[in-house]
Amino acid sequence: GAVVSQHPSRVICKSGTSVKIECRSLDFQATTMFWYRQFPKKSLMLMATSNEGSKATYEQGVEKDKFLINHASLTLSTLTVTSAHPEDSSFYICSAKEFGGSSYEQYFGPGTRLTVT
Amino acid sequence: AQSVSQHNHHVILSEAASLELGCNYSYGGTVNLFWYVQYPGQHLQLLLKYFSGDPLVKGIKGFEAEFIKSKFSFNLRKPSVQWSDTAEYFCAVREYGGSQGNLIFGKGTKLSVKP
Repeated sequence: GAVVSQHPSRVICKSGTSVKIECRSLDFQATTMFWYRQFPKKSLMLMATSNEGSKATYEQGVEKDKFLINHASLTLSTLTVTSAHPEDSSFYICSAKEFGGSSYEQYFGPGTRLTVT
Repeated sequence: AQSVSQHNHHVILSEAASLELGCNYSYGGTVNLFWYVQYPGQHLQLLLKYFSGDPLVKGIKGFEAEFIKSKFSFNLRKPSVQWSDTAEYFCAVREYGGSQGNLIFGKGTKLSVKP
């Protein structure tokens, strides 16, 4: 099956610094990648959708200047949390859609646990 | 807006008991339906999906789900659970052919199976 990787799996950073999270589709080309945030005991919340080579589409309430998304190639998307604050601490999960088709499947990465101190 | 409801937050069962987890959605058009499982410390994995055809779909590990359009439901079932089924289960819905095709997730149901 299709594999999506994320790096790093865990990161601890100080308040005010920026953190970059990478999402890669390892054995398929992903025209679209999705970034989710998972809160404890709550659902996955879609943050943004990124299409290769174009600007990401952010969900309502998600600050695009704070959560920078770059989808530079068909196998790589990055999420940069800028000027991180403790309230940004969360579990971030990326997902990739395989190229082609309207009835497609999304493959999920293992997630990145971000802790801002 | 679309929403997905999973009515049970936490289900506790003994091994060999039967399982049914409820999922209801609010969208009235054609949908794609999914159940994902997240084992402790692991990432989301697809259990099964419904796109079209037979409304009773079979997934991995003995799970099945039935799409009942009139009830806007897609309940997950397993006749006999095992301790290894302990995990969190998420129902998800996607509007068919939507411009972004975003998956809308339910809040998840935690299943604990006692050995």
